[in-house]
Amino acid sequence: GNSVTQMEGPVTLSEEAFLTINCTYTATGYPSLFWYVQYPGEGLQLLLKATKADDKGSNKGFEATYRKETTSFHLEKGSVQVSDSAVYFCALGASNAGNMLTFGGGTRLMVKP
Amino acid sequence: NAGVTQTPKFQVLKTGQSMTLQCAQDMNHNSMYWYRQDPGMGLRLIYYSASEGTTDKGEVPNGYNVSRLNKREFSLRLESAAPSQTSVYFCASTTGTGGYQPQHFGDGTRLSIL
Repeated sequence: GNSVTQMEGPVTLSEEAFLTINCTYTATGYPSLFWYVQYPGEGLQLLLKATKADDKGSNKGFEATYRKETTSFHLEKGSVQVSDSAVYFCALGASNAGNMLTFGGGTRLMVKP
Repeated sequence: NAGVTQTPKFQVLKTGQSMTLQCAQDMNHNSMYWYRQDPGMGLRLIYYSASEGTTDKGEVPNGYNVSRLNKREFSLRLESAAPSQTSVYFCASTTGTGGYQPQHFGDGTRLSIL
């Protein structure tokens, strides 16, 4: 079946530091990949997506590149802010999963001033 | 534009009680989903409805039932609540083939079973 593995958190960084959150996946076929962000007390919001190999998704300074050769979709940001503190989820959508998304376990990011 | 609205936001139940979690979306989406979120477990799919009139089991359906009341509304029912069902429940919706389209989430229902 499909699966998504994320690095465990929490990840603690100082403001303006570089962020990487690793995500790897297992899937048959050609899945679409997503990063969602969850701020405290809220639901998940789509951060960015990529639908085919070598696509780069980007939003709010965050980027992730769909790497089929390494089955990865790592999230990066060059300079984090305190307001980026949240839980980040990597997710996969594949044709063999019908209408379902498969989520990773989430990575909590804490950014200190 | 409200998006996905869940009610209630918080609920405390005693073991054995029943309750229904409500979800409504105003985006004319075809597909709707119920997830539970537990610490360290990410989101796990309970049930989903690919289109009005259809429902299917997800990864963790035991102890739950659902109703797709119409295109807008998708409810989740706990017939006899158990402490293991203490969790945060999220409803989501998407336009069509959910695997390739982003899902839009509500703000969640925080449920505690004593």
